[in-house]
Amino acid sequence: QLQLQESGPGLVKPSETLSLTCTVSGGSISSSSYYWGWIRQPPGKGLEWIGSIYYSGSTYYNPSLKSRVTISVDTSKNQFSLKLSSVTAADTAVYYCARRSDGLYDYWGQGTLVTVSS
Amino acid sequence: DIQMTQSPSSLSASVGDRVTITCQASQDISNYLNWYQQKPGKAPKLLIYDASNLETGVPSRFSGSGSGTDFTFTISSLQPEDIATYYCQQYDNLPPNTFGPGTKVDIK
Repeated sequence: QLQLQESGPGLVKPSETLSLTCTVSGGSISSSSYYWGWIRQPPGKGLEWIGSIYYSGSTYYNPSLKSRVTISVDTSKNQFSLKLSSVTAADTAVYYCARRSDGLYDYWGQGTLVTVSS
Repeated sequence: DIQMTQSPSSLSASVGDRVTITCQASQDISNYLNWYQQKPGKAPKLLIYDASNLETGVPSRFSGSGSGTDFTFTISSLQPEDIATYYCQQYDNLPPNTFGPGTKVDIK
């Protein structure tokens, strides 16, 4: 059974860089069939797609976040990562990693809350 | 970017009622539309893909229809465990992989 698990600091200071890692188990991140994505959800609000990456390193980013987002992949560790720079309180959210298959997200991590505060 | 709207934003219905949610895209997305269920404190769960296909293991009381710009999600007989927020998501035009604003479903 495929599992995804987010990890990283739960508290980030304003203007700093948020860094999260998603570890994939029960399957290979190098499968040619899938992209791997990050989605976030501010408290009490809806879902916002951040971006996705292919095992080769090809990426898609949300234009509204593109200038601050970097998604990378480490196939040797079966992980992919998110970096979001220059964070503000508006970036406080639950961050999910997920597997994208033909446009749908079929496996999700449990989510991790990241709070931006000094 | 393609914009997604959903209506209503929330609804209350009785157990056994038929519940319908609509999702509208700002431009033609063919059938590239998925529906997710999110319960409080949990990750979203895929229910319907490609507008009308039921994900494996999802109860048959859930269904979807539509194409182009107008889509419908239906729960044929609302159950207590269906209390959740439901999101549509388009993937015709990337990026971004847009989600709708969500519809919160409660029991009356």
